[in-house]
Amino acid sequence: EPEVTQTPSHQVTQMGQEVILRCVPISNHLYFYWYRQILGQKVEFLVSFYNNEISEKSEIFDDQFSVERPDGSNFTLKIRSTKLEDSAMYFCASSPTANTEAFFGQGTRLTVV
Amino acid sequence: QKEVEQNSGPLSVPEGAIASLNCTYSDRGSQSFFWYRQYSGKSPELIMSIYSNGDKEDGRFTAQLNKASQYVSLLIRDSQPSDSATYLCAFTRNRDDKIIFGKGTRLHILP
Repeated sequence: EPEVTQTPSHQVTQMGQEVILRCVPISNHLYFYWYRQILGQKVEFLVSFYNNEISEKSEIFDDQFSVERPDGSNFTLKIRSTKLEDSAMYFCASSPTANTEAFFGQGTRLTVV
Repeated sequence: QKEVEQNSGPLSVPEGAIASLNCTYSDRGSQSFFWYRQYSGKSPELIMSIYSNGDKEDGRFTAQLNKASQYVSLLIRDSQPSDSATYLCAFTRNRDDKIIFGKGTRLHILP
């Protein structure tokens, strides 16, 4: 069964460092998303990506965040200068079309020290 | 008013009984509705999607949608200990393509 895959599963980084979280969405899906979940809190939308551009972003997704689809399979989230409060689980998801269910990867646990 | 409201729980249900999870949403422009299950430390896993008023059944799960009352529910029949998890209500709106999540209801099935 097709699935979304994310790497790494866990990343520890020093405050101020750049991190890149990687995702391979399901191959025939057109919409890609990044979500974040701080421990004990709700799943929060960060950004959606369609047709090689950002279709929507939340107020969390400020200038330190960027997304890219460097080739036909990968979808990346870059955090330029990490802060302690960026520590969270980051989930990548993909959907076949708009307004349908999204399928989530297993997540990357980011710890900023 | 919050976009989506769920009772945080925990909801404790004896094994074999029916678990009933409820969710209300505020935006009448909401279009598609989903229930996700999330085990501790894991990612959300899609359980059910429902797009029109009424009931939708899939195995032990039944989703119910009432757009007039802005209410969606999930029934789990013959509850099993493996059903113990947090259940996330989620939806999309006509004007955008993101899925918005509720905070979730923690369900505990008592053996």
